[in-house]
Amino acid sequence: DAGVIQSPRHEVTEMGQEVTLRCKPISGHDYLFWYRQTMMRGLELLIYFNNNVPIDDSGMPEDRFSAKMPNASFSTLKIQPSEPRDSAVYFCASSYGGPMGYTFGSGTRLTVV
Amino acid sequence: AQTVTQSQPEMSVQEAETVTLSCTYDTSESDYYLFWYKQPPSRQMILVIRQEAYKQQNATENRFSVNFQKAAKSFSLKISDSQLGDAAMYFCAYRRNNDMRFGAGTRLTVKP
Repeated sequence: DAGVIQSPRHEVTEMGQEVTLRCKPISGHDYLFWYRQTMMRGLELLIYFNNNVPIDDSGMPEDRFSAKMPNASFSTLKIQPSEPRDSAVYFCASSYGGPMGYTFGSGTRLTVV
Repeated sequence: AQTVTQSQPEMSVQEAETVTLSCTYDTSESDYYLFWYKQPPSRQMILVIRQEAYKQQNATENRFSVNFQKAAKSFSLKISDSQLGDAAMYFCAYRRNNDMRFGAGTRLTVKP
């Protein structure tokens, strides 16, 4: 298995632009998580899905952020409009649930200038 | 709310020596899971070891072992025979159901 695949690896965009981050979870995993990592706040859970359904989006910072999971093999995290304070590394992770840990992707480093 | 505290922002160890990273957490639950993740400069989050709270036996994975003290809500990571490749950020994590919370991390430096 190729693991959790995220794209792009790096993204630089101008303030006000729309940004879309992509994630392909491990086949068979029924949970998908989006995390954000910053120096100030560490790793924060933004939203998670179970069987493609959003379960908890209480970590989404504001309405500019949205996430979708149209099928079991694909999810997106969209920021519109982007702001400099959105600059961070965004991780996608997936799991079976149960006692196992999450498998993380390599992350997308987002820079908003 | 559950919180995870790593009180050592940075640690250093000599190659081949042993180092222990500390982690405490706050919870009122009795059933949960604990994890240590490693994040090298490549930024990939790698699962190092996990512990189920209902298990009294401490988990071990090769050179990595934990000291789980449930009553004290403590979950430390011991790395034996440290290697240069162990240099990374280490994150302690608490998970109950599908809510996984991470500590702020400890940066481990390994000196040759």
